[in-house]
Amino acid sequence: SQTIHQWPATLVQPVGSPLSLECTVEGTSNPNLYWYRQAAGRGLQLLFYSVGIGQISSEVPQNLSASRPQDRQFILSSKKLLLSDSGFYLCASLLPAASPEKLFFGSGTQLSVL
Amino acid sequence: AQSVTQLDSHVSVSEGTPVLLRCNYSSSYSPSLFWYVQHPNKGLQLLLKYTSAATLVKGINGFEAEFKKSETSFHLTKPSAHMSDAAEYFCVVTRSGNTGKLIFGQGTTLQVKP
Repeated sequence: SQTIHQWPATLVQPVGSPLSLECTVEGTSNPNLYWYRQAAGRGLQLLFYSVGIGQISSEVPQNLSASRPQDRQFILSSKKLLLSDSGFYLCASLLPAASPEKLFFGSGTQLSVL
Repeated sequence: AQSVTQLDSHVSVSEGTPVLLRCNYSSSYSPSLFWYVQHPNKGLQLLLKYTSAATLVKGINGFEAEFKKSETSFHLTKPSAHMSDAAEYFCVVTRSGNTGKLIFGQGTTLQVKP
């Protein structure tokens, strides 16, 4: 069965510091991968998605970037964090052409930028 | 463009009474709609989905939702609330093309009082 590993579960970082959140997927091959963010009091917002190694699409302009160095690895990064980057970050996986209810979410990382 | 609006940010009910969580959607085509639940410190779980079959959709844990095209609504209901239903609920619509690109509502926090 499919498993998504996200770490760390919680993270407190100062403004201006770099960020690297990692997501790895097990039990599937060639998935589409997604980074979502949930700001306090708001729903999830899609940040990035990837349909393959090295292929990244950004959904919203922001201070963050994403990379996919391996088929089942998806990394969210920032060179300098802003206060507005605080939130709950979720990685998700979906096999290509699968119906959307098959989207599988990781357990998330709670990021607090102080 | 697709969007969803959850009409209540917070709903409070007594245990054993009915639950109604309201969601209106906007879509330029026949949408796929979902309800997800997020319990504290846990990942997202799919409750139910509507994908243009029966308009009354039954999900897990006794929840159901009715798709009403004339009202552009997809309200979530449950006849009798249980303490374990206390959580954050999200109404979601898919975007065209990449089926993993979900558009989330702002979320409704359900509080269940004993």
